[in-house]
Amino acid sequence: DAGITQSPRHKVTETGTPVTLRCHQTENHRYMYWYRQDPGHGLRLIHYSYGVKDTDKGEVSDGYSVSRSKTEDFLLTLESATSSQTSVYFCAISRTSGGDTQYFGPGTRLTVL
Amino acid sequence: AQKVTQAQTEISVVEKEDVTLDCVYETRDTTYYLFWYKQPPSGELVFLIRRNSFDEQNEISGRYSWNFQKSTSSFNFTITASQVVDSAVYFCALSVRLYNFNKFYFGSGTKLNVKP
Repeated sequence: DAGITQSPRHKVTETGTPVTLRCHQTENHRYMYWYRQDPGHGLRLIHYSYGVKDTDKGEVSDGYSVSRSKTEDFLLTLESATSSQTSVYFCAISRTSGGDTQYFGPGTRLTVL
Repeated sequence: AQKVTQAQTEISVVEKEDVTLDCVYETRDTTYYLFWYKQPPSGELVFLIRRNSFDEQNEISGRYSWNFQKSTSSFNFTITASQVVDSAVYFCALSVRLYNFNKFYFGSGTKLNVKP
C-alpha cells in the first residue's frame, strides 16, 4: 500500500470557520491531488499539485485553497466552511502525470453544520 | 469531452455467482488509460487495475478479469465465484492528458452486494 495518511480522519465544524485538511505521503511522489466524494457525483478534483509550490485548480475549486511547501505534504484549506462543503475528502498521489496510477489516502469525513 | 458511464447503479448477487460490472467511456484522445478501483464499506479506495489504450489484451487476476474492447469503448470487470468480501462500490476511471497532467474522470460507481 502507498504510504498516504490524511488528518484529521473526521471533523465536525460550524459554518464560517476555517478548516485545514492535511495529506502526508512517504512515497516521494511528485503529483498530489485533492478530491471530494459526494453521492451522485462520484469523485471530483478540487486542486492538484505538480511539485513543491506548484498547484493548479481542478473542476470544483471554488471555496478551497491549497499549499505545498514540502514534497510530502499537501494541505487543503476551506477559508470559510459552508454546509455545501460537507463531504468526504480524498487525497491521492502519483509518481508522474503520464497516466500513472493515482493512489488514494484513507479519506477525511468533514461535516459542516 | 471525456466521460465514464457505469450504468449499473447497484447489483445484488448470491455468493459464488459470477458478476460483470460494465464501464463505457468516451474520449477522442488516442492515448488514454483506464482504471478500476474498489471502495469497500470501510471507505478507502483500492486500486485494482490499469490499462493503456494500446493494450487490448484481457487480464485475469485470480477471480477478477477485465475485458477491454476499444471497438465498443468498454472496459468491463468480471468477478468469478463472487464472495461476500467482494461487496463494495466499484469505480471505473478514465485518464487523459490535460495541460500539465493526466486528469482522471470517474464513473459514478456500481455498488455490488454479495449475499451469503
